[in-house]
Amino acid sequence: DAGVIQSPRHEVTEMGQEVTLRCKPISGHDYLFWYRQTMMRGLELLIYFNNNVPIDDSGMPEDRFSAKMPNASFSTLKIQPSEPRDSAVYFCASSLLKDTQYFGPGTRLTVL
Amino acid sequence: DAKTTQPPSMDCAEGRAANLPCNHSTISGNEYVYWYRQIHSQGPQYIIHGLKNNETNEMASLIITEDRKSSTLILPHATLRDTAVYYCIVARNTGGFKTIFGAGTRLFVKA
Repeated sequence: DAGVIQSPRHEVTEMGQEVTLRCKPISGHDYLFWYRQTMMRGLELLIYFNNNVPIDDSGMPEDRFSAKMPNASFSTLKIQPSEPRDSAVYFCASSLLKDTQYFGPGTRLTVL
Repeated sequence: DAKTTQPPSMDCAEGRAANLPCNHSTISGNEYVYWYRQIHSQGPQYIIHGLKNNETNEMASLIITEDRKSSTLILPHATLRDTAVYYCIVARNTGGFKTIFGAGTRLFVKA
């Protein structure tokens, strides 16, 4: 298995632009997690899905952030409009039955 | 979910055992102890987890105290490639849960 795949690996955009981050979980996994990591706040859970349904989005910082999982093999995290304080590394992870989480390589987002 | 307390950094000589402590005094009966590590610029990597009994796998051993209020991750023969941030997490694996990563312990393995 290729593991969790994230794209793009790096994204540089200007303030006010829409940003879409993508994740392909490990085949057969039924949980998908989105995390954000910054030096100041560490690794934060933003939202997680079970069988494509959002279960807990209390970590989503504000309405500018949205996440979808249209099917078992794809999820997106969208920021609209983006702001410089959104600059961070965003990780996607998946797991089977909420056991071990397998993380992707991350997307490094820079908002100018 | 319970919070954990870990030392911010530790050093270990290459080839020696690295013992990383974690306090989780408010852990609930149905919460597991998980350990992950993050090597610079990579996504976190699962190491091991346990509920009550000590656990061992090809990467490490996990020792959980009888009262479950603390645990120790043991890397039996640390190598330079084990230099990373190690996170101790407590979480349920049934029902709703949140995985809360603290600051972790930055382990430096020195030659």
